[in-house]
Order: sequence, then structure tokens, then C-alpha cells
Amino acid sequence: DAGVIQSPRHEVTEMGQEVTLRCKPISGHDYLFWYRQTMMRGLELLIYFNNNVPIDDSGMPEDRFSAKMPNASFSTLKIQPSEPRDSAVYFCASSFSQRYNSPLHFGNGTRLTVT
Amino acid sequence: EDQVTQSPEALRLQEGESSSLNCSYTVSGLRGLFWYRQDPGKGPEFLFTLYSAGEEKEKERLKATLTKKESFLHITAPKPEDSATYLCAVRNSGNTPLVFGKGTRLSVIA
Repeated sequence: DAGVIQSPRHEVTEMGQEVTLRCKPISGHDYLFWYRQTMMRGLELLIYFNNNVPIDDSGMPEDRFSAKMPNASFSTLKIQPSEPRDSAVYFCASSFSQRYNSPLHFGNGTRLTVT
Repeated sequence: EDQVTQSPEALRLQEGESSSLNCSYTVSGLRGLFWYRQDPGKGPEFLFTLYSAGEEKEKERLKATLTKKESFLHITAPKPEDSATYLCAVRNSGNTPLVFGKGTRLSVIA
């Protein structure tokens, strides 16, 4: 299995622009998570899906952030408009059920820089 | 609210110098404690899951242990390739998503 695939690996954009991050989870996994990692705050959960349905988006910073999962093999995280404080590494992760013994499998992240 | 605190923030060891990383947690009913390794520019990679106090898991030079309040990741005779950030995470009895600590950056010098 290729693992969780994220694109792009790096994104540099100007403040005010729209940014779309993409994720392909591991085939067969029914949970998908979006995390954001910064030095100050570590890994923070933004939103997660179960069977393509958003379950909890309370970690989404504000209305500028939105996420979709149109099918079991694809998810997007969109920021519109982007701001410099959104600069971080964004990780997508998937797992097979949320049983206590089910670890998350992470992609290699998208490093976002907003100037 | 579930909380995970890792210490130290950074640790520098000589090759062969054994040490331990700490993960203290506050959680409403622990269902699992997870250790991950993260290399620069990569996503976290799963190492171990511990479920109950007294449990131990080993992988090569790494051994993870669990008490009711904390977990330790013991590194025996580390090598430079063990250099990475080690992350700890917990899952509570409500089966909510993992809550992560900020990690310990380990550097092993030859």
C-alpha cells in the first residue's frame, strides 16, 4: 500500500489567496483526520470524518477553513482567504475504525507558507 | 479535557548513552497510549500502543512502559539513526481522536 498521500508537499502563497490541500487515505480506512502542526502548539486536530461524513469540526480555527470528503478516497482542506498565521504543516491521517487499538497512519504533510 | 505533556522538549545524547523520555497524561479513562516517531519532513510513524498500567512493549533499542499517570520511552544504547522527534498521544474512553503531546526532539551524536 502506498500509504496516505498528500499534495502538494509545499505551498507558498500570498495573504488573501485561496489554498487547497489534498489527501488520499489508505484504501479501506474509514476514518480520516486533518491535523495542523506548529512548533508552538504541536499537533492539533482540525476535523475528522467517518465514512466520508464530518464528525467533529470544532478544531477548525474559523470560517476561513473548510474540509470536504466527497468519496472514500479523497479529501480536501481549503483555506480562503489565507493569512500568515495559517503557516504550518498540515497532516492528513487515516485509520481503520476508531477502536482503541487502531493507530493513525499519517501522510508526509503539506508545508504551507503564507506571506 | 485530555492533556499530554512530554519532557524534556529536547535531548542530546552521545551514541550508546541510554536515557528515557517522559509522557505525562490526564485523560478521562485511558483506552490507549500511542508512541510515534517523526523524522524531519515526514509524518509521524506509529511505534507502539499501550493499554494498561504495567504493560511494556519493545522494538529494537526502544522500550515503552506505562503507569496510571505517565509513560516512558526508554532508549538503550542509542545510535545516530535514532535521532528524531518522539510523540506521545492518548485516546480516552469516549474513543475520541488522539490527543498529542508536543514531542521530544532527540539528537544522538556519534
